Amino acid sequence: DAKTTQPPSMDCAEGRAANLPCNHSTISGNEYVYWYRQIHSQGPQYIIHGLKNNETNEMASLIITEDRKSSTLILPHATLRDTAVYYCIVRVPYTGTASKLTFGTGTRLQVTL
Amino acid sequence: GAVVSQHPSRVICKSGTSVKIECRSLDFQATTMFWYRQFPKQSLMLMATSNEGSKATYEQGVEKDKFLINHASLTLSTLTVTSAHPEDSSFYICSARRTGANTEAFFGQGTRLTVV
Repeated sequence: DAKTTQPPSMDCAEGRAANLPCNHSTISGNEYVYWYRQIHSQGPQYIIHGLKNNETNEMASLIITEDRKSSTLILPHATLRDTAVYYCIVRVPYTGTASKLTFGTGTRLQVTL
Repeated sequence: GAVVSQHPSRVICKSGTSVKIECRSLDFQATTMFWYRQFPKQSLMLMATSNEGSKATYEQGVEKDKFLINHASLTLSTLTVTSAHPEDSSFYICSARRTGANTEAFFGQGTRLTVV
């Protein structure tokens, strides 16, 4: 799976948009971009994933550049409960036992008042 | 989203004893589940892939005789830490996904193991 690079930490004011970048310059044509987050002392939570088109769901938006070498996760109105470590993971579609997720170090997002 | 449940959420055990952690997919069947370990201020490290009805696949450096994995049904995988030592104290997390080529993984809430 392609390696990803994320800033180690970011701050965001409550109510503002949080934009979390991820570089994945070695991504292959069939690899998807997945985002998960982990709130302290909990298991990771799925947020969103995409291949090349921008995606939006009730939690966030995912913007993928045209060359697919980077992406941005957008939390449109961050709240204190969004404080967590956010992981960007790039991998091929799940196929049987090869469907493991490899976590990097992620970005620690701190939402402040 | 789908629910994956782990039990117990916290456990304290004495050195030399064994501890079993359960991971259940509550509303879907999972032929494959995954076990991770996370030390403080570190990322999740995959330990093994649990396959229903067959042997688990362990990542390099993970002792299969120490971390016993059983996946006897499509909704339950167990991880047993045998002869636990204080260095095994960690946060253990399981995940599972529905069958399908492009479905996301769901994670349990994790088990905090403390070996004293």
